[in-house]
Amino acid sequence: GAVVSQHPSRVICKSGTSVKIECRSLDFQATTMFWYRQFPKQSLMLMATSNEGSKATYEQGVEKDKFLINHASLTLSTLTVTSAHPEDSSFYICSATSGVLYGYTFGSGTRLTVV
Amino acid sequence: DQQVKQNSPSLSVQEGRISILNCDYTNSMFDYFLWYKKYPAEGPTFLISISSIKDKNEDGRFTVFLNKSAKHLSLHIVPSQPGDSAVYFCAASANRGSTLGRLYFGRGTQLTVWP
Repeated sequence: GAVVSQHPSRVICKSGTSVKIECRSLDFQATTMFWYRQFPKQSLMLMATSNEGSKATYEQGVEKDKFLINHASLTLSTLTVTSAHPEDSSFYICSATSGVLYGYTFGSGTRLTVV
Repeated sequence: DQQVKQNSPSLSVQEGRISILNCDYTNSMFDYFLWYKKYPAEGPTFLISISSIKDKNEDGRFTVFLNKSAKHLSLHIVPSQPGDSAVYFCAASANRGSTLGRLYFGRGTQLTVWP
């Protein structure tokens, strides 16, 4: 079945630094990638949607200059949290799809802790 | 604005009995509904889905029922097993042709199956 590999699984960084999270579709071409964020005991909140070769579409309230999304190829999308602050600490999850027939495939998530 | 709602944050069921998880939605444009199982610090795992043209879909121990007029769906797990203990998320999307739209998630229901 379809697999999405997300790395790193957890990262601790200092306040003010940047962190890059990668999501790779291993056996299919992901025409669309979704990036979610989940706070403890909360729902998965969509941050942005990216289509290969296009600029990402950000949800209301998500700072596009802070959360940089790149979807340069059909198998790789990255989320970079720039100038991270403790309030950015959260669980980030990517999801990829190549259309209705293939459904959504989720990565395993990244636990970001900013100290 | 929560377009997908899971009003029960938790459910406790004895092993062997039926677990019924409920979900309500508000957007009449939703035409594809999914259930995911999630463990802490992991990505969601797809369980079962249903298209709006159906009112029931069954896969092994899992059955999803859709009542479009009530904008309600439910997941039945029978018989319940201790390994089913996890958080279950209901999700919905409004698709355009062969393109999958973004998912809207409920807040999740923690299912605990006790021996």
